[in-house]
Amino acid sequence: SQQGEEDPQALSIQEGENATMNCSYKTSINNLQWYRQNSGRGLVHLILIRSNEREKHSGRLRVTLDTSKKSSSLLITASRAADTASYFCATDPSNTGKLIFGQGTTLQVKP
Amino acid sequence: DAMVIQNPRYQVTQFGKPVTLSCSQTLNHNVMYWYQQKSSQAPKLLFHYYDKDFNNEADTPDNFQSRRPNTSFCFLDIRSPGLGDAAMYLCATSSDRGQETQYFGPGTRLLVL
Repeated sequence: SQQGEEDPQALSIQEGENATMNCSYKTSINNLQWYRQNSGRGLVHLILIRSNEREKHSGRLRVTLDTSKKSSSLLITASRAADTASYFCATDPSNTGKLIFGQGTTLQVKP
Repeated sequence: DAMVIQNPRYQVTQFGKPVTLSCSQTLNHNVMYWYQQKSSQAPKLLFHYYDKDFNNEADTPDNFQSRRPNTSFCFLDIRSPGLGDAAMYLCATSSDRGQETQYFGPGTRLLVL
């Protein structure tokens, strides 16, 4: 069964706008990670947030984690056309390195 | 730059013809993973090596095998590819298991004719 659900499945915005993606998961976690995947390419790690953290920033990225609701959000501020990609959340519930990915949000940023 | 390299980037094979995909890393990481990603889906873990210790996922078909001859290299063998095995195959590494960032290669897209 899926660990992560993401919404929206697809998001289209204009350059300069903010983009918010949400992820929900089912079991308790030690951390949650966000990855980006450009079309036809491998995944790139964006940010890891631990279960005892509520918010984390990295450049234009802001991630929140609410363990009581088993949810996380990724905010990209001042989006650019180069941010066009699919974004996946991932958890490792068994703490063995087995990442379980959400279905992903496909973001299109129009110039 | 330290990185994860996958070859080839595109592989075309015939139904039932064995194929091998390769992955190498210069990160000197202990753990190497193989994921399968079908079109518009999330990556799904097939198996991983923790050093020389092989860990197969319960739902990975027997058709998929892996070898890790040394720290740097890992291979994915598909013994008899079917049409349903057409996918992107992603290799990843991490320094240790659990709570660790995984570093992904660019992937090999497999087409089965």
